[in-house]
Amino acid sequence: QTVVTQEPSFSVSPGGTVTLTCGLSSGSVSTSYYPSWYQRTPGQAPRTLIYSTNVRSSGVPDRFSGSILGSKAALTITGAQADDESDYYCVLYVDIGISVFGGGTKLTVL
Amino acid sequence: QLQESGPGLVKPSETLSLTCSVSGGSIRSSDFHWGWIRQPPGKGLEWMGNVYYNGNTYYNPSLKSRVTISVDTSKNQFSLKLTSVTAADTSVYFCARVKYSSYWSGYYFDSWGQGTLVTVSS
Repeated sequence: QTVVTQEPSFSVSPGGTVTLTCGLSSGSVSTSYYPSWYQRTPGQAPRTLIYSTNVRSSGVPDRFSGSILGSKAALTITGAQADDESDYYCVLYVDIGISVFGGGTKLTVL
Repeated sequence: QLQESGPGLVKPSETLSLTCSVSGGSIRSSDFHWGWIRQPPGKGLEWMGNVYYNGNTYYNPSLKSRVTISVDTSKNQFSLKLTSVTAADTSVYFCARVKYSSYWSGYYFDSWGQGTLVTVSS
């Protein structure tokens, strides 16, 4: 079974830049996995941030960006704000019709 | 818009059943699949499976023996059934629209329901 890895937690100072990553337990992530990123805040529906590696979803500010860094997909938040404090999940498309969520990264802004 | 509905409490060993009502567009769109995702308390999100308007399905291999996702195009709804539930199935269940088709290279969840908490307890 495919395991998608994310940092369990990360912290960033207000105004700072942070890069969260999304990898595979075996192998490298490429654009063929169509990496996507979601913000999950308690009490709210997940919010779609990035799809197809680096395409921002409608209404998402440009301080959120996606890329491939080395062997992993990456989500970079530039100029972090207090309301960016949340859980972030990546999804990889691993087989025909099959997707896997990463374990999520809890981001603290302090 | 997507909206989940169904019982908030299910007994162990019974079947969990939820429905997702789709509004503002047709479930028959060739551009989308329709999926279920869940999140147990204090844990991460887990993809359960997707359905296409023609009834084609894809399931998480770890849940495949217990999950059935179906579609009712006449009602613009799709449904989830999870059999033989245990306390470990207590979760917030989300339905979502999946941008995924043979006409477009990509896959992502582009719209979500608000989620519904289902507790498994006697």
